[in-house]
Amino acid sequence: RKEVEQDPGPFNVPEGATVAFNCTYSNSASQSFFWYRQDCRKEPKLLMSVYSSGNEDGRFTAQLNRASQYISLLIRDSKLSDSATYLCVVNKADSGYALNFGKGTSLLVTP
Amino acid sequence: NAGVTQTPKFQVLKTGQSMTLQCAQDMNHEYMSWYRQDPGMGLRLIHYSVGAGITDQGEVPNGYNVSRSTTEDFPLRLLSAAPSQTSVYFCASSYSGTNYGYTFGSGTRLTVV
Repeated sequence: RKEVEQDPGPFNVPEGATVAFNCTYSNSASQSFFWYRQDCRKEPKLLMSVYSSGNEDGRFTAQLNRASQYISLLIRDSKLSDSATYLCVVNKADSGYALNFGKGTSLLVTP
Repeated sequence: NAGVTQTPKFQVLKTGQSMTLQCAQDMNHEYMSWYRQDPGMGLRLIHYSVGAGITDQGEVPNGYNVSRSTTEDFPLRLLSAAPSQTSVYFCASSYSGTNYGYTFGSGTRLTVV
């Protein structure tokens, strides 16, 4: 089983739509969880950390379910500029703070 | 602040050549890592460091060496380049990893012919 799994998509949604991405991770000892955004041929950029209590940053809401080892990202009121690949990231529990990346979910927001 | 700086941005090597990918950060981060990104594979960890003088292997370390003599610099050396090492390489650094995430450099696009 891969350590971090995501639906690759692509998700094609119209502007203003709400879209949700899901991710599962295999190591129950992992402690740190993130969503990164990657634009085409660019470096990944941290979108938000994910906490057990859930957290929100503007139009973005992240949730963590430790019992199910499941992470989600909800984007409300999608903008054209949200088009990117979204990477689910979990720390490697047995090797300091190195990270395991999912392969990413591709989002295209259309006019 | 410059953040994480990688050089060069592009490189073409011949099979068997060696080279060093440079990575420097000016944020006084203890944690640094090297990843490679290939189509359909996601980012894979090559080597990482949790402080000066301390390095460890990631999931795909073969063919690569690292050292961490200073907090700022974490170079990645390709010992004898192979076509399978054609990839985009990203260096990243973090204050502590936990809940802070990593800041990435803009990447080095390497082609081995």
